[in-house]
Formats: sequence, structure tokens, C-alpha cells
Amino acid sequence: DVKVTQSSRYLVKRTGEKVFLECVQDMDHENMFWYRQDPGLGLRLIYFSYDVKMKEKGDIPEGYSVSREKKERFSLILESASTNQTSMYLCASSSMGTGNEKLFFGSGTQLSVL
Amino acid sequence: GQQVMQIPQYQHVQEGEDFTTYCNSSTTLSNIQWYKQRPGGHPVFLIQLVKSGEVKKQKRLTFQFGEAKKNSSLHITATQTTDVGTYFCAGDTGGFKTIFGAGTRLFVKA
Repeated sequence: DVKVTQSSRYLVKRTGEKVFLECVQDMDHENMFWYRQDPGLGLRLIYFSYDVKMKEKGDIPEGYSVSREKKERFSLILESASTNQTSMYLCASSSMGTGNEKLFFGSGTQLSVL
Repeated sequence: GQQVMQIPQYQHVQEGEDFTTYCNSSTTLSNIQWYKQRPGGHPVFLIQLVKSGEVKKQKRLTFQFGEAKKNSSLHITATQTTDVGTYFCAGDTGGFKTIFGAGTRLFVKA
């Protein structure tokens, strides 16, 4: 069964801390994505990557960075966490295909920044 | 920038009633996808529509893609309690970025 695994289900951090969210997929997918989900706003794309060491900004990249050193792993980094980054973070992956292929999501990380 | 609007935000129905959620894009979409997220869960892919005017069915669910490829709808016939959750449409104009609507949360009363 295909799987996208996020390292933590719940995380509590302090303002100003550096935060790492890890995501691993076992489907040999080329594309990986980070979204944040907030009530009433749906899923908003933070960053995506279509190959190892490649990254592209999504719609809300400010305050975030990413790293993709291996094909199966995509990390989201909050350089200095702020309270407005409290949210549900969802990682997803997809195969290369011809356009936007269907996304497989991880279970999400609920991050609280105090 | 590109936007995908989805209405309604919430819908309460009695079990057995029908339900419809609508999705509208500010630009022409190359395709549209629909996802379902159960309470406490993560989005799960339901279907993808590619062709103008396309209609697809999955049991009690009917998905439509508009002729202009700017709108879509999901209709559920005779809702059941297992249908509860949030339904998202997601589209793109080509490339890797999938833009999601805000979702419609469905509540079903037994």
C-alpha cells in the first residue's frame, strides 16, 4: 500500500524556534509538496519539488524553506517560528505524469507555535 | 493570482437527502480533481476530470466538468452518514501546481 509518512502528528514549539517537518514517501514519486490547511482557507501550497535538490515556491512561501536531498524525503523548515504559523501541515507526493497527477497525502502535522 | 472558489462552505442535510458542492475558477483549468477528507483525516483522491463537459459517476457520486473548463460540481444522491467530511476541488492551468478550493464541509444527520 502506498504511503506518505510525516514524522510527527502533533508538535508544540516556541516563537523563534527553528522547526523541521519531515516527510517520506515510498512510491518513488518525483513530485513532493507541502501544504498548510487552515479553517475556511482550504489547502494552500507552500513549496513543491519535482526532483532531488529542486524546489519551487508555492503561493505562501514566506517564512518557510525546504530541502530535498533524497528523492523520497522532503523537509519543510520554519526558520523562526511565529504564532501565525500555527496550522495543520500536509505533505503530498505525486508521480511525474503529464500534468497535475493525483496527490497522495500524509496524515498531517498539527503545529502549535506558542 | 489563480483562484478556485468553492461553495457552500458548509451543508447540513438529513440522511437520504441530496447534496451538491460547486467549484469555480477564475481561469480555464486543464483538469480538475476532487478529494474527500474525513474528520481527523487527510485528503483522499476521488476522481479527476479532464475533458470539457465531462461527467463521471462513482456509485452515488456524480462529478461534472463545465463546458468552458472553469467550473465543476460534485453531487451526492441520497446521502449516508459515511459521506460526512470535507470535499475539496483542486485544479490547475498546467504544470505542477494544484490549487485547492476552500472545501465544503458536509454534515449528515441520521
